[in-house]
Amino acid sequence: SQQGEEDPQALSIQEGENATMNCSYKTSINNLQWYRQNSGRGLVHLILIRSNEREKHSGRLRVTLDTSKKSSSLLITASRAADTASYFCAIRRMNRDDKIIFGKGTRLHILP
Amino acid sequence: DSGVTQTPKHLITATGQRVTLRCSPRSGDLSVYWYQQSLDQGLQFLIQYYNGEERAKGNILERFSAQQFPDLHSELNLSSLELGDSALYFCASSAPRGQGANTEAFFGQGTRLTVV
Repeated sequence: SQQGEEDPQALSIQEGENATMNCSYKTSINNLQWYRQNSGRGLVHLILIRSNEREKHSGRLRVTLDTSKKSSSLLITASRAADTASYFCAIRRMNRDDKIIFGKGTRLHILP
Repeated sequence: DSGVTQTPKHLITATGQRVTLRCSPRSGDLSVYWYQQSLDQGLQFLIQYYNGEERAKGNILERFSAQQFPDLHSELNLSSLELGDSALYFCASSAPRGQGANTEAFFGQGTRLTVV
């Protein structure tokens, strides 16, 4: 599969802890994007990281990209109840069509 | 608010019927993507348009078709509906004019289609 594959499929942590989600893919990419989806709602764009970038931050979010390993990670620090959602990585392939291909997501549950 | 508008929000229809889902992209975005999300599943890419022309095609059934109009809004037509077509259908837009394709996509809130 050329899509991103998130790992783990589900994650439950205590409020205040850090949450790490991983994404692996198989093709060369132009960029990789992380999205959040609250149950049954639209997707919210979190971070886009380009293939020539290694790390990006946005508030409590930190994304890394290792193109040699074809993997990315999303770290949410000091988790809050409101972070409970599904998180998806999506890849845009290099020199190919403009598809944005999604993985199946990680379901994150923050315990009070 | 992502700036992407999808209508209707909810749609209930019978098997065999035909429906049209509408998407208005963010102002200035040239690309429109359509995705299908079944219950507790990831997003399946259906089709993408760029400035009025089909750019990429995914796992879109022959019963489904789409188009992008000169004003850049897009419609997804689903015909001969089956129970298995019940899903959330999302539209996303990206590629603001002049900024190329290496940009993020912004999603609408989706249309929840229920086929009974």
